[in-house]
Amino acid sequence: NAGVTQTPKFRILKIGQSMTLQCAQDMNHNYMYWYRQDPGMGLKLIYYSVGAGITDKGEVPNGYNVSRSTTEDFPLRLELAAPSQTSVYFCASSLNRGRLDGYTFGSGTRLTVV
Amino acid sequence: AQKITQTQPGMFVQEKEAVTLDCTYDTSDPSYGLFWYKQPSSGEMIFLIYQGSYDQQNATEGRYSLNFQKARKSANLVISASQLGDSAMYFCASYSSASKIIFGSGTRLSIRP
Repeated sequence: NAGVTQTPKFRILKIGQSMTLQCAQDMNHNYMYWYRQDPGMGLKLIYYSVGAGITDKGEVPNGYNVSRSTTEDFPLRLELAAPSQTSVYFCASSLNRGRLDGYTFGSGTRLTVV
Repeated sequence: AQKITQTQPGMFVQEKEAVTLDCTYDTSDPSYGLFWYKQPSSGEMIFLIYQGSYDQQNATEGRYSLNFQKARKSANLVISASQLGDSAMYFCASYSSASKIIFGSGTRLSIRP
């Protein structure tokens, strides 16, 4: 099925470890986004990209890095995991800015840092 | 900067009743869009409805309607004839010229049988 695929679905990291959250979409969408959702809270934008080779910071970028070498992929890198990064991470994509049906979301990655 | 405010952390509604979820927004952009998403306990984000800032009429999608009051900067979601399956978190969101969507903190809606 077409859509946004996130891997892994679950992960436990130790403090100081690094990992990459993968996100891929097969809809040829230009715009891609990373959000985090802390328990009982709304989504906070981490980074976004308006096309291959172009990325920009969102509301909460500290502790994360991204790259966008292709239209399809938008990985999120955590370099030195901290307990404050325990959260559910959502990747999303859209064809155009302000697309009427909003974003297409991935199913999320639940990350726990211990 | 954009800001979305949802003042109702939780609501309980009797099945088959209508419910209004409040949302106010703050943006300086003349062109913007407003969205509502549903997040059931399974965690996925489900798009419900969209309203553009220049749309003359309130958006409707089945049992969902958006009560858009531009002067008051409010974009309340109205669910008619609520069902048990409507129990979920609901998020109001907006986008503007900055090309990204900003979310509110959400309202947890619980439908009583």
